[in-house]
Amino acid sequence: SQQGEEDPQALSIQEGENATMNCSYKTSINNLQWYRQNSGRGLVHLILIRSNEREKHSGRLRVTLDTSKKSSSLLITASRAADTASYFCATDAVGGGTYKYIFGTGTRLKVLA
Amino acid sequence: EAQVTQNPRYLITVTGKKLTVTCSQNMNHEYMSWYRQDPGLGLRQIYYSMNVEVTDKGDVPEGYKVSRKEKRNFPLILESPSPNQTSLYFCASSYRGQPQHFGDGTRLSIL
Repeated sequence: SQQGEEDPQALSIQEGENATMNCSYKTSINNLQWYRQNSGRGLVHLILIRSNEREKHSGRLRVTLDTSKKSSSLLITASRAADTASYFCATDAVGGGTYKYIFGTGTRLKVLA
Repeated sequence: EAQVTQNPRYLITVTGKKLTVTCSQNMNHEYMSWYRQDPGLGLRQIYYSMNVEVTDKGDVPEGYKVSRKEKRNFPLILESPSPNQTSLYFCASSYRGQPQHFGDGTRLSIL
């Protein structure tokens, strides 16, 4: 399996604190995406960063990408109770005529009010 | 409204009874995909399709079939379901290289 990995598996913080999640992957990529999932519902896209980008921002989200280390991090600043969810990274494994997506195992974030 | 629609949302069935989970998208996306989600394993790709009549295996294709006869539809077929296929299934679609839109999921239990 070419499963990505995320750490931590679970994270519990107080409202207002920052939350950082990390993702490692194994293959060369075109882009890396972060998704959010609430309680077994469908995933919602948060942010996409391309392999030639090192950092990207969207509102309270900041994503970094280090292709030499095959890793990415997602920072959520000033967290809110509504940020409580699972967060997944996904990479596209492109090559040899294939176009697969590989998801990490996810980080469960709990933000305490 | 742009959406990916899966049916059924919940299904309890028995081993060996063929079933189909439908997926339809209204965004004219070329790329469609099926995933299964199991505790501690994240999402794993079952099959994907890059366009009509073009399908390919993901990481866990065994025991599943798909077809892509129309751009909007991408059904997942379990010819002879087994208990190890009990899982939460998601369909997704996108333009190639763009973020995926996910359906609400199908919770499948095979007894």
